[in-house]
Amino acid sequence: EVQLLESGGGLVQPGGSLRLSCAASGFTFSSYAMSWVRQAPGKGLEWVSAISGSGGSTYYADSVKGRFTISRDNSKNTLYLQMNSLRAEDTAVYYCAKTIVVVVAATTTPGAYFDYWGQGTLVTVSS
Amino acid sequence: EIVMTQSPATLSVSPGERATLSCRASQSVSSNLAWYQQKPGQAPRLLIYGASTRATGIPARFSGSGSGTEFTLTISSLQSEDFAVYYCQQYNNWPPATFGQGTKLEIK
Repeated sequence: EVQLLESGGGLVQPGGSLRLSCAASGFTFSSYAMSWVRQAPGKGLEWVSAISGSGGSTYYADSVKGRFTISRDNSKNTLYLQMNSLRAEDTAVYYCAKTIVVVVAATTTPGAYFDYWGQGTLVTVSS
Repeated sequence: EIVMTQSPATLSVSPGERATLSCRASQSVSSNLAWYQQKPGQAPRLLIYGASTRATGIPARFSGSGSGTEFTLTISSLQSEDFAVYYCQQYNNWPPATFGQGTKLEIK
């Protein structure tokens, strides 16, 4: 059974930093890309970042580029999201998601959807 | 960035009836579209990928159709556990993965 367990959320002041973790089990972690998707209170879903199975490729939404860093430790089956320079608009539940990569066309970046999700961890940015 | 638009925002349907939810892309996404279900306080769950393929363990009453820019999620006979928010997501032009704003399916 696939399990994803996020941790590390909490209350942080604007401009502060936080590191989220996602412990994975029930599948061969290093064989799959992983992503972070967030959901602001009462709002819809927003993809944040993704990383390839090896960790060699990373992708970011424009809204977090330069402030957030995704990484993974395949020896520990754990995904991370380092969040710096946090803003009020980063307040959300952050989900980690096992990611299925799809080759869309030979000349473009593969697409991806999310087949398993963790329960999420709440990040609140407020003074 | 491809914009995904779902309609209606809220759909009221009686248990046992059919529900039809729509998702439109601002440009063609071929069949690279997924649907998710989210219940209050829970994480999203993958229902459909490739526009029409049910994910593992998803009941047959859920079906997806469409290609290009117009997609539909149909729930053939609503059960009490189906009342939730549904999101579509395109993965043809990625990154970013883009989601629709959601359709809330409520009990009539």
